[in-house]
Amino acid sequence: AQTVTQSQPEMSVQEAETVTLSCTYDTSESDYYLFWYKQPPSRQMILVIRQEAYKQQNATENRFSVNFQKAAKSFSLKISDSQLGDAAMYFCAYRSPLTGNQFYFGTGTSLTVIP
Amino acid sequence: EADIYQTPRYLVIGTGKKITLECSQTMGHDKMYWYQQDPGMELHLIHYSYGVNSTEKGDLSSESTVSRIRTEHFPLTLESARPSHTSQYLCASSALRGPQYFGPGTRLTVT
Repeated sequence: AQTVTQSQPEMSVQEAETVTLSCTYDTSESDYYLFWYKQPPSRQMILVIRQEAYKQQNATENRFSVNFQKAAKSFSLKISDSQLGDAAMYFCAYRSPLTGNQFYFGTGTSLTVIP
Repeated sequence: EADIYQTPRYLVIGTGKKITLECSQTMGHDKMYWYQQDPGMELHLIHYSYGVNSTEKGDLSSESTVSRIRTEHFPLTLESARPSHTSQYLCASSALRGPQYFGPGTRLTVT
């Protein structure tokens, strides 16, 4: 089975600064999807950004961008101009189109934003 | 905004009771999933379905059961609740390609 690793259980960032959350994954597939999800405390899990493996261009959504390194199997999330509302658990996820369309999640990174 | 709903949002129930957690989605997604998550912790897949009359157990051993009689509805049932079932339960759905969309969750406490 594919594995997704988030090696940073906790991160902190000063408000207005930039932070990068890391994610690596293990796969032998060439076609797949990668996602970052945000889960604020006691609130709903929401999709932040998505990347399709066949696309070389890194995805960007406003202040959120990714650094997708397919050969290195790395998929980091960069949050620019951090805001207090960015404080949350962030989960990296991998979707396999081959193994029954299963989703595999990392263990999460808890992000604290310091005013 | 994804249209996936879960009820109840919060439930406190005594040991031994039978409970059903409801999940419905209006996006016409074939694939639906149930996860168990302790606060601030990782997600554990307990059940999934790829369509009507299709259900599979996930990675985490669970004493719950699910059914998928209609595309939009994927309820999870605990026949006899125990304190070890205290957790948050997240329902999600997805199309053939692309991301999962999550419901707001049900926070279950078994006393």
